[in-house]
Amino acid sequence: RKEVEQDPGPFNVPEGATVAFNCTYSNSASQSFFWYRQDCRKEPKLLMSVYSSGNEDGRFTAQLNRASQYISLLIRDSKLSDSATYLCVVNINGNNRKLIWGLGTSLAVNP
Amino acid sequence: DTAVSQTPKYLVTQMGNDKSIKCEQNLGHDTMYWYKQDSKKFLKIMFSYNNKELIINETVPNRFSPKSPDKAHLNLHINSLELGDSAVYFCASSPGQGAETQYFGPGTRLLVL
Repeated sequence: RKEVEQDPGPFNVPEGATVAFNCTYSNSASQSFFWYRQDCRKEPKLLMSVYSSGNEDGRFTAQLNRASQYISLLIRDSKLSDSATYLCVVNINGNNRKLIWGLGTSLAVNP
Repeated sequence: DTAVSQTPKYLVTQMGNDKSIKCEQNLGHDTMYWYKQDSKKFLKIMFSYNNKELIINETVPNRFSPKSPDKAHLNLHINSLELGDSAVYFCASSPGQGAETQYFGPGTRLLVL
């Protein structure tokens, strides 16, 4: 099993749709979780951290399920500008020095 | 003002050559990183330095040698370039050694012919 696994997609959704991505991680000792966004031919940028109780930032909601070892990202009212690759990032073995990156889930929001 | 900058942005070179990529951050961060993103978009950490000290050294060929003259700079020198080295190399920085937010440079697209 990969350390961090994501469905690569692509997810093709119309504007205004709600879309959700999941990411599973293999190590139960993992402590820090993030969603990054990477636009085509650009660098990754932090979208949001994921907290144990779940957290929301505008149209974006992140949740953590420790029992099943996955995190999720929900995007409501999708915009064209949301089209990007969404990278799940986890620290492994409770080792705060290293992050493990998923391959990313590609999202295309269509007019 | 660019927070994390890398030069060059593009690098096309022949197999066997030696090349360097430079990275600078003006965020005052203590930790800097080099990542490699290959054609399959897999982002993999190569090295990490904290206050000029090497703290992460993944399984990377010793043809790759990082150098940190000060905590604001982390350069990457690659000897005897191979076709498989073609990738995008990202520099990043973070405030500490923890798994907090990392800020990335724009990337250096390396193509080895």
